[in-house]
Amino acid sequence: KQEVTQIPAALSVPEGENLVLNCSFTDSAIYNLQWFRQDPGKGLTSLLLIQSSQREQTSGRLNASLDKSSGRSTLYIAASQPGDSATYLCAAFNNAGNMLTFGGGTRLMVKP
Amino acid sequence: DAGITQSPRHKVTETGTPVTLRCHQTENHRYMYWYRQDPGHGLRLIHYSYGVKDTDKGEVSDGYSVSRSKTEDFLLTLESATSSQTSVYFCAITSAGATDTQYFGPGTRLTVL
Repeated sequence: KQEVTQIPAALSVPEGENLVLNCSFTDSAIYNLQWFRQDPGKGLTSLLLIQSSQREQTSGRLNASLDKSSGRSTLYIAASQPGDSATYLCAAFNNAGNMLTFGGGTRLMVKP
Repeated sequence: DAGITQSPRHKVTETGTPVTLRCHQTENHRYMYWYRQDPGHGLRLIHYSYGVKDTDKGEVSDGYSVSRSKTEDFLLTLESATSSQTSVYFCAITSAGATDTQYFGPGTRLTVL
């Protein structure tokens, strides 16, 4: 059974700092890896999707990498802003293509 | 947003009563999903659908049933609600194939007393 872990569970940084969020998964046989953002009381917003054949994806100040062999993905946020404060979740799609397994999330606070 | 609405947005009910949550989408997406989100457990898949009348179980399907009689509607039913089903329920769709990016609805907060 796939297990996805995100460390740390919470992170507080000053505005402007570059930061890395970590995601690890136990079964490397994944179809893709997805990163989401969740604001309090809201649904999830898709940020990036990395196919299993890819090493990284970029969108604006966000860069996500994937290392299947080590079972790890990272989300890099450049020049963090208070508006980046949210919970960030990663999720691994199994090879059967029918189930997305989520990590517990990292709650990020960017202080002005 | 991918044109996903959920109703009701909030509901309080009593143990043993039936509850139906509705997910509605406006863009004819084939794949639809129901998740629950709980502190300490994250998001877990309950059931999913890959077409009208085509559904399958997810990780935590016990106590839940689903129906999809139209492309746009995916219903989640708790036949006899229990306090352990108190949770926030999210519906999601994929915009293209089954393994594509998932887009989520705003959620339904369900409290079972």
